[in-house]
Parts: sequence; structure tokens; C-alpha cells
Amino acid sequence: SQTIHQWPATLVQPVGSPLSLECTVEGTSNPNLYWYRQAAGRGLQLLFYSVGIGQISSEVPQNLSASRPQDRQFILSSKKLLLSDSGFYLCAWSLKGGPGELFFGEGSRLTVL
Amino acid sequence: GDSVTQMEGPVTLSEEAFLTINCTYTATGYPSLFWYVQYPGEGLQLLLKATKADDKGSNKGFEATYRKETTSFHLEKGSVQVSDSAVYFCALSDLPGANNLFFGTGTRLTVIP
Repeated sequence: SQTIHQWPATLVQPVGSPLSLECTVEGTSNPNLYWYRQAAGRGLQLLFYSVGIGQISSEVPQNLSASRPQDRQFILSSKKLLLSDSGFYLCAWSLKGGPGELFFGEGSRLTVL
Repeated sequence: GDSVTQMEGPVTLSEEAFLTINCTYTATGYPSLFWYVQYPGEGLQLLLKATKADDKGSNKGFEATYRKETTSFHLEKGSVQVSDSAVYFCALSDLPGANNLFFGTGTRLTVIP
């Protein structure tokens, strides 16, 4: 069966510090991968998606970046965090041809102070 | 463009009450429709789905019927439990493509004993 894991689950970082959130998928190959952000009291915002290794599409301009160094690994990064980057970050995957149904990770709560 | 509008929350109900969360959509084609649920502190998980008009998705006592004539996919449950307390997201997937899944803003449900 397929599983998705992301870490860390909770992160408290000062403004201006770097960020790295990691997500891995097991039990499937060549998935579409996604990073969403859920700000307090708001819905889901698609940040990045990837249809293959090294292929990243960004949905919104921001100081975050994403990378896909391996087929089932998706990394969300920032060189310098802003207060507005605080939120709940969700990694997800779907089968090709989708997105159709998304399968989400457990989420990572980031607080920038 | 495609979009989903769902009823604003929060919704507070007593245990065993009837639940309806409204969801309407706008789409250019013939979308698939989904309800996702997010329990406190967790990622989203698929609750139910419907892929064509008049289909009824059901799971865990929840159901929703794909109504093309009213462009709606309202979520219902006859008797809610405290364990149903969560945030519910309506979503649609229209054209093929990794970024073509659109979420509503979510409705928070609290069920009190």
C-alpha cells in the first residue's frame, strides 16, 4: 500500500532563518507531488506541484521554493523566512492523469517568530 | 475558471442532529467532485467522491449526490457524532492536469454531546 510521510511535524523558526520541509512517498512510482499551505482560518492554497524529477511548477509568487531530487521525494525550502510564512503545510500525491484524488501527509506546522 | 463555493462555518450541532454542508461549483467541463475531511492536527483525507452526474458518494454515514442541474454536491449525515468534529472541504477536479484540483475554503463542524 502507498504511504506518504512529511517532517518535521512542528517547527518554530525565527524570521530570516532557512526552512526545509521534506516529504516522501512509498509504494507508488512517478506520482504527481504537491505542496499546499493552510493559513489559520483559511482554505488550502496550492504552492507547488511536480509531475516528475526536477519538474516544478509554482502557483503563487513567494519566497518559498520546491525541489524534487528523487522520484518520490519533495522538498519545500526557504532561504529566509517571513512572518507571513507561518501556517500548516501539507504534502500530497496523486496518480498521473489526475489530480483526481489526492493523498495527504500528516502536515507540518510552521510558526515563524 | 473552475471554482468551489461552500457554506461558511463554523457549524455547531448537538450529537445525533442532522448535518448539511452546502457546496456548489463552477466548472467548464464535467468535473469529478470530492469531500475531504481534516481532523484536528492532521492532514486531509478523502471522505467520499462522485465522478458523474447523479452519482451518490457515501462513507461513514456521510453522503453527497452530484447534481448537475443545480451544480451542487451537498454533504449530509443523518446523525452526527462527537467524533465527526472536523473541517470539511469540498473540491472538484475538471480537466486533466496536475494542478486542476480546486478546494473550497472549508467548513468547521463542532459536535457537542
